[in-house]
Amino acid sequence: GENVEQHPSTLSVQEGDSAVIKCTYSDSASNYFPWYKQELGKGPQLIIDIRSNVGEKKDQRIAVTLNKTAKHFSLHITETQPEDSAVYFCAASYGNNNDMRFGAGTRLTVKP
Amino acid sequence: DGGITQSPKYLFRKEGQNVTLSCEQNLNHDAMYWYRQDPGQGLRLIYYSQIVNDFQKGDIAEGYSVSREKKESFPLTVTSAQKNPTAFYLCASTLRPNDGGYGYTFGSGTRLTVV
Repeated sequence: GENVEQHPSTLSVQEGDSAVIKCTYSDSASNYFPWYKQELGKGPQLIIDIRSNVGEKKDQRIAVTLNKTAKHFSLHITETQPEDSAVYFCAASYGNNNDMRFGAGTRLTVKP
Repeated sequence: DGGITQSPKYLFRKEGQNVTLSCEQNLNHDAMYWYRQDPGQGLRLIYYSQIVNDFQKGDIAEGYSVSREKKESFPLTVTSAQKNPTAFYLCASTLRPNDGGYGYTFGSGTRLTVV
């Protein structure tokens, strides 16, 4: 089955700097890669996703890149703000959400 | 507003008790899921259901049971057979689980503690 590894486990940046979180996956058949943001005491929220036929996707300050050959994908947050502080999870599946697997999460802290 | 409602937010269980966590959605989503979240770990799949009256075991189903009598509802029972039930439990749903992959909508979670 699919295995997703996520790095780093914790990340601290200064407000205004960029943050990058990386994930690798094991199953080359995986074709859907969502990212979730989880604030303290709440459920995760989908913030951006990418499919395997696309190499990059942007939505305002966040972007995701996908390298199918290397089987890794990354989340990029620019101009970070304190409200970006949260735990971020990556996930991978191959078109069947019943096979979605999550990374262990990255705790991002943005210092004002 | 459409969404997923989990209740209760906090739950305490005594040794040997069964407890049931509620999950209700009004998004008209087909599939529903239960995940367990432990500190420093990713989400682990307990059970999922794609249609009413059908459900499948996930990676860590032992000690848990579910039912799907209505499209909107997917309750999870943590039985006394689950030896380490203290965790944060998340319910999720998605519209078309086998149609290229869609993001989940998650509930706000239930924190279960054994006392």
